[in-house]
Amino acid sequence: DAGITQSPRHKVTETGTPVTLRCHQTENHRYMYWYRQDPGHGLRLIHYSYGVKDTDKGEVSDGYSVSRSKTEDFLLTLESATSSQTSVYFCATSITSYNEQFFGPGTRLTVL
Amino acid sequence: AQTVTQSQPEMSVQEAETVTLSCTYDTSESDYYLFWYKQPPSRQMILVIRQEAYKQQNATENRFSVNFQKAAKSFSLKISDSQLGDAAMYFCAYVNFGNEKLTFGTGTRLTIIP
Repeated sequence: DAGITQSPRHKVTETGTPVTLRCHQTENHRYMYWYRQDPGHGLRLIHYSYGVKDTDKGEVSDGYSVSRSKTEDFLLTLESATSSQTSVYFCATSITSYNEQFFGPGTRLTVL
Repeated sequence: AQTVTQSQPEMSVQEAETVTLSCTYDTSESDYYLFWYKQPPSRQMILVIRQEAYKQQNATENRFSVNFQKAAKSFSLKISDSQLGDAAMYFCAYVNFGNEKLTFGTGTRLTIIP
């Protein structure tokens, strides 16, 4: 199994506060993804990375930014958290864009 | 944009029976890949099965098999001899070659009745 960890696993924060979620992988996979999961919506792509310093937007990127300075780390930042960003966030990695994605355990974020 | 539709929000099946989960997708591409992922109550997403569109043979993995109908743009998952551990959310997903974004359906929650 791919070693993918996410930190923190749970976070409660207040509206307007900046939040950074971290994804760390030990598999040297080129691709990394951030998704959010909400009831009735499945998983929706926020941002993804296809290499160090190479990132692109997904379908729900507004209000989020990402950075990838090392192969193993992919950070997701909410510059000013809003209640609509309360969700479960998943990181995933893959060798190519059409191979299996390996998922982290998820981070439950609550914005009050 | 590609879309993936799972029209059954919830399904249930008796233990040891067979159940089929539906998935349809919309694309104008000819070279693409389809996936079924399982998310048990632990929330950990796990790949169940993968199908390459250029392969006519349906993919199988032990008790899991797919019915891939390319012309109909249908990709259903059949679970045989259902077990209690199969209880989970199941997500269908699509990506076409050259695109880097996987598109998920909204999921089907499968309940196994003992």
